[in-house]
Amino acid sequence: AQTVTQSQPEMSVQEAETVTLSCTYDTSESDYYLFWYKQPPSRQMILVIRQEAYKQQNATENRFSVNFQKAAKSFSLKISDSQLGDAAMYFCAYRSALNAGNNRKLIWGLGTSLAVNP
Amino acid sequence: DSGVTQTPKHLITATGQRVTLRCSPRSGDLSVYWYQQSLDQGLQFLIQYYNGEERAKGNILERFSAQQFPDLHSELNLSSLELGDSALYFCASSVTGNSHEQYFGPGTRLTVT
Repeated sequence: AQTVTQSQPEMSVQEAETVTLSCTYDTSESDYYLFWYKQPPSRQMILVIRQEAYKQQNATENRFSVNFQKAAKSFSLKISDSQLGDAAMYFCAYRSALNAGNNRKLIWGLGTSLAVNP
Repeated sequence: DSGVTQTPKHLITATGQRVTLRCSPRSGDLSVYWYQQSLDQGLQFLIQYYNGEERAKGNILERFSAQQFPDLHSELNLSSLELGDSALYFCASSVTGNSHEQYFGPGTRLTVT
């Protein structure tokens, strides 16, 4: 079974600085998707960025980028020019590329709480 | 705003009771997923529906059931509630049953006293 591990329960960063959140996963599959979701105090789960395993190029969305290391099964999120509004819980999630049965579900890490200091 | 709506936002009830959580997917989305977020177990997949039919089942208790109606909204029924059922329940939707992106509603906070 696939697992997702986020080893940093809490992180903090100064406003305008850069922070990297770590995520590792375990799978025997070769094709899958990885996601970072943000959950602010409002509790809304917001998709931040996604990565297809078959793509070697790291995904980027504005100030958010990932470092995807397939062989190491690592998927870290870098937030540049951190803003107060980035303060939230960040979850890493895995989805198999197989479309049968429970493969469609998202498998989640336990999250990293990010504080942004002014 | 993801376009997924969930009602109610908050629900407080007593042990042994039954509640119904409602979810309306984004316009055009045919698939609905239910997840439970608790403090001790994180986010857990419960069940998925696609166009009215159950597609996948996760760690859903027998006391829980769900359905998706012809208008594509979904309901999650929780019965014989226990203190441990207190959690945030999320609904997510996707265009098809195989779409890899899921868009989440704001969640329903259930408190069982």
